[in-house]
Amino acid sequence: DAGVIQSPRHEVTEMGQEVTLRCKPISGHDYLFWYRQTMMRGLELLIYFNNNVPIDDSGMPEDRFSAKMPNASFSTLKIQPSEPRDSAVYFCASTRSSGGSNEQFFGPGTRLTVL
Amino acid sequence: KNQVEQSPQSLIILEGKNCTLQCNYTVSPFSNLRWYKQDTGRGPVSLTIMTFSENTKSNGRYTATLDADTKQSSLHITASQLSDSASYICVVTPGGSYIPTFGRGTSLIVHP
Repeated sequence: DAGVIQSPRHEVTEMGQEVTLRCKPISGHDYLFWYRQTMMRGLELLIYFNNNVPIDDSGMPEDRFSAKMPNASFSTLKIQPSEPRDSAVYFCASTRSSGGSNEQFFGPGTRLTVL
Repeated sequence: KNQVEQSPQSLIILEGKNCTLQCNYTVSPFSNLRWYKQDTGRGPVSLTIMTFSENTKSNGRYTATLDADTKQSSLHITASQLSDSASYICVVTPGGSYIPTFGRGTSLIVHP
């Protein structure tokens, strides 16, 4: 398995533009998580899905952020409109609820810079 | 509130030396504790997992300890190598949940 795949790896955009981050979880994993990582706050959970259904989005900072998971192999995190304070590294992670281990497998991240 | 505190925030050591990273947590009820290694520009990767009944677990030169009574864990790195330079994140998962609490991490730099 190729692991969790994220795209793009880097995104530079101007304030006010729409940004879409993409994630393909590991096949067979039924949980998917979106995180944001900054130097100041570390890793923060934004939202997570179970079997493609959003379970908890309390970490989503504002209505400008939205996430979808239309099927088991694809998820998006959208920011509209983007602001400079959204600049961070965004990680997607997945895990499988069966088997006893809750190890989350992380993607390589998308480094977002909003000018 | 569930919290995970790590110390030190950063650490610089010479290649070949040993070091120990600390993690204190208030997560309850406790399910397991993981140490993740995050290389620059990459996502975190799990090094070890410890459950309530485990005191020590090793993964090569990495040895993790857990004291569930005092809610403390440590990660000991033996004979450090340049490739050990990374951020080490302590992650605690409460019982009955898949939602972990992350520490802020310890940034380790190993100098030749």
